[in-house]
Amino acid sequence: NAGVTQTPKFRVLKTGQSMTLLCAQDMNHEYMYWYRQDPGMGLRLIHYSVGEGTTAKGEVPDGYNVSRLKKQNFLLGLESAAPSQTSVYFCASTGTGRNYEQYFGPGTRLTVT
Amino acid sequence: GQQVMQIPQYQHVQEGEDFTTYCNSSTTLSNIQWYKQRPGGHPVFLIQLVKSGEVKKQKRLTFQFGEAKKNSSLHITATQTTDVGTYFCASKDVKAAGNKLTFGGGTRVLVKP
Repeated sequence: NAGVTQTPKFRVLKTGQSMTLLCAQDMNHEYMYWYRQDPGMGLRLIHYSVGEGTTAKGEVPDGYNVSRLKKQNFLLGLESAAPSQTSVYFCASTGTGRNYEQYFGPGTRLTVT
Repeated sequence: GQQVMQIPQYQHVQEGEDFTTYCNSSTTLSNIQWYKQRPGGHPVFLIQLVKSGEVKKQKRLTFQFGEAKKNSSLHITATQTTDVGTYFCASKDVKAAGNKLTFGGGTRVLVKP
């Protein structure tokens, strides 16, 4: 089992460019999440999904879009990148049972210049 | 929404000493989870507490959930260099679907050899 994987690991964008971050999990988890982590700060939820074909806004959704066309994949899109979106992005997933620990991917380090 | 506050933000510890980090909320929490993030790594689940007054141990780590379920603590004895990292507490938002968690800001632990 690979767990949760994220691509790419690193990316540098210029202001105004767009990109998509891919998250994949092989644990058959229903729920998936996208977080951003800024230096020295905690995790802030961007968007999440409670199942295939569903998405919902988190704490900081502005400037991002997401899609969950397949249960195992959760995509995060930046349509027009801004320097304020420079951050480390983590994807996570969890199941629907009582023990809902979240499994995190290795992260994507994004720099917007 | 609910918030969990962690103190201290930074903890400098001499190797071999003990320390405690705290997670506080103004509202009653349904549960608390603790995660550890090594420098440059991703958050990894440590433990979940659900019951009032619950205490769980993992080797040198002791986790406690307050009687009123408004606070939690992580105590590490005989700190080692392997304990370096950021420790996050998180609580499930019972009003939202999808096992959504709210994370505290984290306590960053630095160990002096």
